[in-house]
Amino acid sequence: AQSVTQPDIHITVSEGASLELRCNYSYGATPYLFWYVQSPGQGLQLLLKYFSGDTLVQGIKGFEAEFKRSQSSFNLRKPSVHWSDAAEYFCAVGAPNTDKLIFGTGTRLQVFP
Amino acid sequence: DTAVSQTPKYLVTQMGNDKSIKCEQNLGHDTMYWYKQDSKKFLKIMFSYNNKELIINETVPNRFSPKSPDKAHLNLHINSLELGDSAVYFCASSPNDRGAYEQYFGPGTRLTVT
Repeated sequence: AQSVTQPDIHITVSEGASLELRCNYSYGATPYLFWYVQSPGQGLQLLLKYFSGDTLVQGIKGFEAEFKRSQSSFNLRKPSVHWSDAAEYFCAVGAPNTDKLIFGTGTRLQVFP
Repeated sequence: DTAVSQTPKYLVTQMGNDKSIKCEQNLGHDTMYWYKQDSKKFLKIMFSYNNKELIINETVPNRFSPKSPDKAHLNLHINSLELGDSAVYFCASSPNDRGAYEQYFGPGTRLTVT
């Protein structure tokens, strides 16, 4: 069965610093991988997705993620964090030709000025 | 234009009551979902409908009944509300019948049962 782990519950960074949020998945083949962001009191917004091809994917708001099959990881990165990036970030995995996404438990990002 | 909308945004009610949450999407998607997000932010799928047909029905008490009058709407009715039903409920939609592709979420309905 698929599963996804986000090892970091809470991360704090200074504005302007770089960011990496970790995501590990469990699946027998190459899954579909997603990162969503949830701002306080809001719904989830899709940041980026990976289906196949180039393992480095670019998303909205300056985020990128890299799929590493050997590590079963799909870590999210941003070179310079802005205060408005403070939010909850969810990694999700979906098996091709199935009907649902499995979400990780989320990582809360706090940004200090 | 709002892509996936939910009403109400907040819902406070007493135990034992029956309540409904409405969801509408104007994206032309065929598949819609209900998720429950608990107090620890854990997101779990409850139901999915593809073109008005039930596709996914996770282990959810039968007090919860989804209804899809057309493919643009998926409502959630909850009978005999319990304290443990307090959560944020999200509606989502997907452009095809394979939800493992991208999903678009509504703003959520925060349900508080007292």
